[in-house]
Amino acid sequence: ETGVTQSPTHLIKTRGQQVTLRCSSQSGHNTVSWYQQALGQGPQFIFQYYREEENGRGNFPPRFSGLQFPNYSSELNVNALELDDSALYLCASSLLGQGAWNEQFFGPGTRLTVL
Amino acid sequence: AQTVTQSQPEMSVQEAETVTLSCTYDTSENNYYLFWYKQPPSRQMILVIRQEAYKQQNATENRFSVNFQKAAKSFSLKISDSQLGDTAMYFCAFIKETSGSRLTFGEGTQLTVNP
Repeated sequence: ETGVTQSPTHLIKTRGQQVTLRCSSQSGHNTVSWYQQALGQGPQFIFQYYREEENGRGNFPPRFSGLQFPNYSSELNVNALELDDSALYLCASSLLGQGAWNEQFFGPGTRLTVL
Repeated sequence: AQTVTQSQPEMSVQEAETVTLSCTYDTSENNYYLFWYKQPPSRQMILVIRQEAYKQQNATENRFSVNFQKAAKSFSLKISDSQLGDTAMYFCAFIKETSGSRLTFGEGTQLTVNP
């Protein structure tokens, strides 16, 4: 059973640029959630994808968008980067539909720095 | 909306001793789950323990146990026989039963175990 992987590990961009972060979910999982974790803070929910459709969104602007592919891997895209987008981006996969609670398995994150 | 508050930004404990991390939350939901996650320097978020709100019995996982006070909306984590490997950031998190996999995290408590 493979765990959740994310790429790249680190990324440096300049303000105004666009970035794509990638996540491979754990084998057998059908749901991916993305979180933004600013330095010294707890993760904040960005959105969730279930079977290739957005299934809930946090308080993030539309320039944060995502995709989920048939193999349940996922991308997080951020357009028009701002300095405040500098953070650790975590993805978590789970198997939705197996009862009321579904354990989320987190990847190691992508550290994004916006200059 | 749900909120999770951790009032202890940093704590330290001597190896082999016991430490308690505090967490309070606010919700109007009746059915929910509470979690403690550990985030070591490797950044990978690891589930430590979970508690179902409908269960009165406090959850226990080896050296980790919780004190769940539903009426007071309090959820503390006790770590017994602390080990150097317990050094990490600890996050309290909440999920309501109907929200799929959307976690709400607290700000975190940095725990340092000293030899």
